[in-house]
Amino acid sequence: GAGVSQSPSNKVTEKGKDVELRCDPISGHTALYWYRQSLGQGLEFLIYFQGNSAPDKSGLPSDRFSAERTGGSVSTLTIQRTQQEDSAVYLCASRSISSGGYNEQFFGPGTRLTVL
Amino acid sequence: QQPVQSPQAVILREGEDAVINCSSSKALYSVHWYRQKHGEAPVFLMILLKGGEQKGHEKISASFNEKKQQSSLYLTASQLSYSGTYFCGTAGPGSARQLTFGSGTQLTVLP
Repeated sequence: GAGVSQSPSNKVTEKGKDVELRCDPISGHTALYWYRQSLGQGLEFLIYFQGNSAPDKSGLPSDRFSAERTGGSVSTLTIQRTQQEDSAVYLCASRSISSGGYNEQFFGPGTRLTVL
Repeated sequence: QQPVQSPQAVILREGEDAVINCSSSKALYSVHWYRQKHGEAPVFLMILLKGGEQKGHEKISASFNEKKQQSSLYLTASQLSYSGTYFCGTAGPGSARQLTFGSGTQLTVLP
């Protein structure tokens, strides 16, 4: 497809379980971002990948959150021992790095995570 | 630190104008504007860069006051399709590729 895709679209889990959220960025986009959006709130930055550089993990809220990006393309966000406050929509975005590098981010449809 | 957006919500009639403001306490290099409709992903509207460069599309304009660390988004002759939540994302000189988003302005255009 031409856009950013995320899976699953919805995930319901029980407190204490681990979950994995997947993001497929636009082909050729070397920058990839994960955000969290709680109900009625703005976009909270979680983590940023750029090429082969070390990811910027400064937004991860706790050590239960981790993310990796394999082969510079697909990314997986893992939340261990989920808590009810983890319930939110998790958005992935990708961006191309061209001259200047200040280009728009393309967002995926998000994964709605509900922790019971 | 998260930029502050104002107003938090605005309701207007089709054809009316609206201004959404975004203010930061930190020096800015760029300001990005996105619109998100209910249940959908945010969609890019505009980028404003320090020095005056502006990239965007649609019939929406914006300003960027570097000294005041503020940006404003101007929606003229609003259409029903303009309804949604508008977010500004700011980037400073030290982290120019990482955006910090405001909490959003909910815009409702009524017929």
